[in-house]
Amino acid sequence: EVVLTQSPDTLSLSPGERATLSCGASQSVTNNYVAWYQQRPGLAPRLVIYDASSRAPGIPDRFSGSGSGTDYTLTITRLAPEDFAVYYCQQYGNSPITFGQGTRLDIK
Amino acid sequence: QVQLQESGSGLVKPSQTLSLTCTVSGASIGVVGYAWSWMRQSPGKGLEWIGYLYTRGSTSYNPSLKTRVTISGDRSKNQFSLKLTSLTAADTAVYYCARQGIFYDTVGFHKGSWLDPWGQGILVTVSS
Repeated sequence: EVVLTQSPDTLSLSPGERATLSCGASQSVTNNYVAWYQQRPGLAPRLVIYDASSRAPGIPDRFSGSGSGTDYTLTITRLAPEDFAVYYCQQYGNSPITFGQGTRLDIK
Repeated sequence: QVQLQESGSGLVKPSQTLSLTCTVSGASIGVVGYAWSWMRQSPGKGLEWIGYLYTRGSTSYNPSLKTRVTISGDRSKNQFSLKLTSLTAADTAVYYCARQGIFYDTVGFHKGSWLDPWGQGILVTVSS
């Protein structure tokens, strides 16, 4: 199965700053089928990005995704207070579906 | 607006069977183009996809759990269910249901994609 490794484990930034989260795959993900989720404490994950770079409905345009092959990035420009959460990447191009271990985005 | 809600037993004894139900509102589980999925999240293993139910009762399971998992649906109640047998402490987790997108691979098999929305989750503890 494809192992996804996210970096860093924790990212401490201030509101208004730019966040760059990485997701590396152990092998190339077919069709760049990668999604990103946001999980706030006590809540279920929420879809942010799908197909590597498409924003889910209702997601602000400060969120963007990029990448191909084995390397993917979630970028959040101008961090808002509600953006501080844990973010997970998921790949669905190769069976079985797998998730990364998560990056915690903390307020500095 | 599609909403999902998990229900079932939160405490199960080792070696027994976990049974959970997901009630869907705002969409039909019989609709083509979406599957209905189960995931779990534990501190030790993170997020894990368990499997999904697709149209006409077709299913897909994670190979790591395949021998112990059954996902089925009741279209009259717009619900789908998860059964996981031979439980151990390692199965203790928050279990989520979600709607999953579907695409077809190059040989025409359906495959699950992104997950949205998710239910709120239910904590299941395996303990005697």
